[in-house]
Amino acid sequence: EVQLVESGGGLVQPGGSLRLSCAASGFTFSDYPMNWVRQAPGKGLDLVSSISSRSSNIYYADSVKGRFTISRDDAAGSLYLEMNSLRDEDSAVYFCARYTVRYPYFDLWGQGALVTVSS
Amino acid sequence: EIVMTQSPATLSVSPGERATLSCRASESVSNKLAWYQQKPGQAPRLVMYGASTRATGIPARFSGSGSGTEFTLTISSLQSEDVALYYCQQYNKWPPGTFGQGTKVEIK
Repeated sequence: EVQLVESGGGLVQPGGSLRLSCAASGFTFSDYPMNWVRQAPGKGLDLVSSISSRSSNIYYADSVKGRFTISRDDAAGSLYLEMNSLRDEDSAVYFCARYTVRYPYFDLWGQGALVTVSS
Repeated sequence: EIVMTQSPATLSVSPGERATLSCRASESVSNKLAWYQQKPGQAPRLVMYGASTRATGIPARFSGSGSGTEFTLTISSLQSEDVALYYCQQYNKWPPGTFGQGTKVEIK
């Protein structure tokens, strides 16, 4: 089955760190650009970070630049998001999402991981 | 950054009636426009790409149109399972591929 499964969410204090993981299965992970998209409670969708196949190009939203790091392990079929210096406004559901090979729209989504930043 | 504006914020439609959702871009995005459906508590699901091509498994009652700055997603005969939030996303200029703020479709 073609799927993405996130893990690693949880409750963390402001200033803390968390690492999200996304396990891919059912497709050739290394062929696809991958992304983290977040959705704050009751809000819309925001692209947080993208990484191309072979990790040659990486994008970060201004709001997370310098604090978050995206990476991938093609051999393991996994995507990661290292989140440091977390703020209240980083609280959201974080979705792992796949771009198509040809165009940057999202054709496959994980179920999401809830990150809550609170003291 | 291209700004995507969706209207209306909420759309109430009777079962079997037509639902028309709009998405406007602050500058031309050609036909590089996708639509996503998000049901409560679920991840988004791709509905349409290239402005008018249905994604795999999407029923024929869903259709998309438009190019440039004005786009429409139409549900020809609303079913109860279509109740959801719908987001448009441009991918002509990226990163980032910006999303609209969403339209909530509900049953009247």
